Amino acid sequence: AQSVTQPDIHITVSEGASLELRCNYSYGATPYLFWYVQSPGQGLQLLLKYFSGDTLVQGIKGFEAEFKRSQSSVNLKKPSVHWSDAAEYFCAVGAAGYQKVTFGTGTKLQVIP
Amino acid sequence: EAGVAQSPRYKIIEKRQSVAFWCNPISGHATLYWYQQILGQGPKLLIQFQNNGVVDDSQLPKDRFSAERLKGVDSTLKIQPAKLEDSAVYLCASSPTLAGLVTGELFFGEGSRLTVL
Repeated sequence: AQSVTQPDIHITVSEGASLELRCNYSYGATPYLFWYVQSPGQGLQLLLKYFSGDTLVQGIKGFEAEFKRSQSSVNLKKPSVHWSDAAEYFCAVGAAGYQKVTFGTGTKLQVIP
Repeated sequence: EAGVAQSPRYKIIEKRQSVAFWCNPISGHATLYWYQQILGQGPKLLIQFQNNGVVDDSQLPKDRFSAERLKGVDSTLKIQPAKLEDSAVYLCASSPTLAGLVTGELFFGEGSRLTVL
């Protein structure tokens, strides 16, 4: 069965600092990987997706993710965090065919001035 | 392009009452999902439809939850009778296809927040 682990429940960073959110997955075949963001009171919005090819994937709002097959990880990164990035971030894994998408428990990001 | 529409946004009921949530996916998206998100947790898949057929309902508490997708478009999720632990946000999402395959890329509605007293 597929699963996703986000080891950090809560992270605090200073505005302008770099960010890395960790995500590890378990899946028997080549996965499709996603990062979603959820602002307070909002639905989830797709930040980026990885289907195949390059291991560094660009997303919206200046986010990128590095897929490392050997470590079963897809960490989310941003070089310089803005106060508006404060939100909860979810990693998810799925696959073509069956299409079931499983979410991690999320990482809540706090940005301090 | 219109997004995924859900209603109602908020609902407060007492335990043992019933409630229904409605979802209208993005036009042309064949796959529709219902997720339950309890406060502080990630979304948990309840049921997945492909057109009007059920693909996965393994985590749907079938003794009290039911869902249908009429004509492969709109969907309704019902809870009867509700329990305190059903308090959550119910998220509907739809997914497009790419070269005939469903990608799993989800487009979410804003959710329906249920409070059971």
